[in-house]
Amino acid sequence: DTEVTQTPKHLVMGMTNKKSLKCEQHMGHRAMYWYKQKAKKPPELMFVYSYEKLSINESVPSRFSPECPNSSLLNLHLHALQPEDSALYLCASSHLGQGPYSNQPQHFGDGTRLSIL
Amino acid sequence: AQSVAQPEDQVNVAEGNPLTVKCTYSVSGNPYLFWYVQYPNRGLQFLLKYITGDNLVKGSYGFEAEFNKSQTSFHLKKPSALVSDSALYFCAVSRRGSTLGRLYFGRGTQLTVWP
Repeated sequence: DTEVTQTPKHLVMGMTNKKSLKCEQHMGHRAMYWYKQKAKKPPELMFVYSYEKLSINESVPSRFSPECPNSSLLNLHLHALQPEDSALYLCASSHLGQGPYSNQPQHFGDGTRLSIL
Repeated sequence: AQSVAQPEDQVNVAEGNPLTVKCTYSVSGNPYLFWYVQYPNRGLQFLLKYITGDNLVKGSYGFEAEFNKSQTSFHLKKPSALVSDSALYFCAVSRRGSTLGRLYFGRGTQLTVWP
């Protein structure tokens, strides 16, 4: 069982739809991450939140809009996606790297498999 | 610049034989090193990490990894492979002193263990 929960597990949407991906963790982690993963490839970092503030945006197109409403939740809002956006979207969380937390691994959810028609 | 190399796309071993999945890195300073495993239709699972100290690190499911500073390598090993070890393995590094713990991944190695 993973400690990071992502919903939905699968999502099929048209290019004009608006949908949201959700991620939740209750491990007290203050860093949360969104990754995009294509089949058999490594995850690509999209966004990083620390203390509910956006710290890193890897030049992600504006059709992806992240949101961190509180320390346990992370959302990814989707609008007007393209077929090439079809992928597995992974959420991860970790302690922030300070003091005793300076080397803690990221914990990943099982992802949302997104298909754009 | 940070980079991680996994030179083999695919590793095939027979069940019961030892396995090695290779990883080399090029990172400024002394990085933290990680191995993750991904089973089909699952997220990444943490296996083990090297921070400092003993060059041989033991992790989950009987895996271990050997850190070699002079060769900048961090190879994953297991003395006796299981069919259930078949999965995609990622080596990753993060820069020491980075509070966000940003990970830089290798391209992944598909391990197949045949009965």
